[in-house]
Amino acid sequence: AQSVAQPEDQVNVAEGNPLTVKCTYSVSGNPYLFWYVQYPNRGLQFLLKYITGDNLVKGSYGFEAEFNKSQTSFHLKKPSALVSDSALYFCAVRDPFSGGYNKLIFGAGTRLAVHP
Amino acid sequence: DTAVSQTPKYLVTQMGNDKSIKCEQNLGHDTMYWYKQDSKKFLKIMFSYNNKELIINETVPNRFSPKSPDKAHLNLHINSLELGDSAVYFCASSQGVAGAGYEQYFGPGTRLTVT
Repeated sequence: AQSVAQPEDQVNVAEGNPLTVKCTYSVSGNPYLFWYVQYPNRGLQFLLKYITGDNLVKGSYGFEAEFNKSQTSFHLKKPSALVSDSALYFCAVRDPFSGGYNKLIFGAGTRLAVHP
Repeated sequence: DTAVSQTPKYLVTQMGNDKSIKCEQNLGHDTMYWYKQDSKKFLKIMFSYNNKELIINETVPNRFSPKSPDKAHLNLHINSLELGDSAVYFCASSQGVAGAGYEQYFGPGTRLTVT
């Protein structure tokens, strides 16, 4: 079955330190991968995606993610965390068996807590 | 200028009632979606429409019926509400339907509480 795993329920980091939120995937073929962020009581906001091309993808708010095909990973990173980055982060992959449609399979989410 | 809007934001109702949630997008997108986020924040797609045509229909009780009067609107009607329907329902939209991996834009959500 196609799936996405976010192995950490929560990540804690001090403000100013680099952050990494992990994501691994299991899909057939070449994956379309996405990161979304959800702030409290808000909808999800798109951060970045990997479709093809450079393995390092840059996105909104200084976030970037590295696609690693051999490790089937798509970890989200930021060089210097801000308190305002504290939120729930979702990794998602397009279901390759969705008849060509944009059906996304979401991971369980990782709560990022950035401490002052 | 809200891109994807949903009404109502909160909905509290009793078991057995019928309720509707409305969604509108002003992004000019062709495809719209309904998602359910449960109390553990797990997010799962329910339905998707492309230009008023149903293209994704997940395993959802038939008490849930989506309707798309035009490509800018997607409504969700729920009959005979049950306690397990309590969740946050998100509407989303994307440009195009297939292939290129278009990102989805989400509404603010409707928190449904069934008592």
